[in-house]
Amino acid sequence: EVQLVESGGGLVQPGGSLRLSCAASGFTVSSNYMSWVRQAPGKGLEWVSVIYSGGSTYYADSVKGRFTISRHNSKNTLYLQMNSLRAEDTAVYYCARVGKYSSGWYNYAFDIWGQGTMVTVSS
Amino acid sequence: EIVLTQSPGTLSLSPGERATLSCRASQSVSSSYLAWYQQKPGQAPRLLIYGASSRATGIPDRFSGSGSGTDFTLTISRLEPEDFAVYYCQQYGSSPAWTFGQGTKVEIK
Repeated sequence: EVQLVESGGGLVQPGGSLRLSCAASGFTVSSNYMSWVRQAPGKGLEWVSVIYSGGSTYYADSVKGRFTISRHNSKNTLYLQMNSLRAEDTAVYYCARVGKYSSGWYNYAFDIWGQGTMVTVSS
Repeated sequence: EIVLTQSPGTLSLSPGERATLSCRASQSVSSSYLAWYQQKPGQAPRLLIYGASSRATGIPDRFSGSGSGTDFTLTISRLEPEDFAVYYCQQYGSSPAWTFGQGTKVEIK
């Protein structure tokens, strides 16, 4: 079964750090584009970061310089290292896979999502 | 950055009725990179439509997507009880960057 399972969320003080993990099963993380998307309480969805199969990484302006996306190929796991956390980073964080057309080209829609992990930044 | 504006904010309908949801972009979007999601309370979003009009795996054919350029539509032909949820449109553009609309809530009238 194709599945993503996040972990690592919790309560952290402003200025603190947290590392989120996203374990994949049923497919290979390193062969796909993988992303993090977050959702503040009662709000909409916000894209956070992506790592391409070739290793290139990109970030939303709101997290650039503070968050780092990475993966561990042998563990088939995606990570998000979050530093210098702020109250506005409070959200449910989802990992998601970028989907492909049957041709193999990416369609840039998120076809598989994890269940999400809650991050609360508060003193 | 391309901004997606969804309307209406809330749609109050009865089961069996037709739902038409709009997503308007601040500038032209590639149809290949326009998607729709459904999200129920406490759950992750679920992909419904990609490429503006292609249904994702397992999505019933009462869901359909259309549009091009700056105007896109998600139509639910006959609402089932399980369709009452929040719907988001999403586009992919250069940078790279993904952006989402603010969502449309479909509620039971």
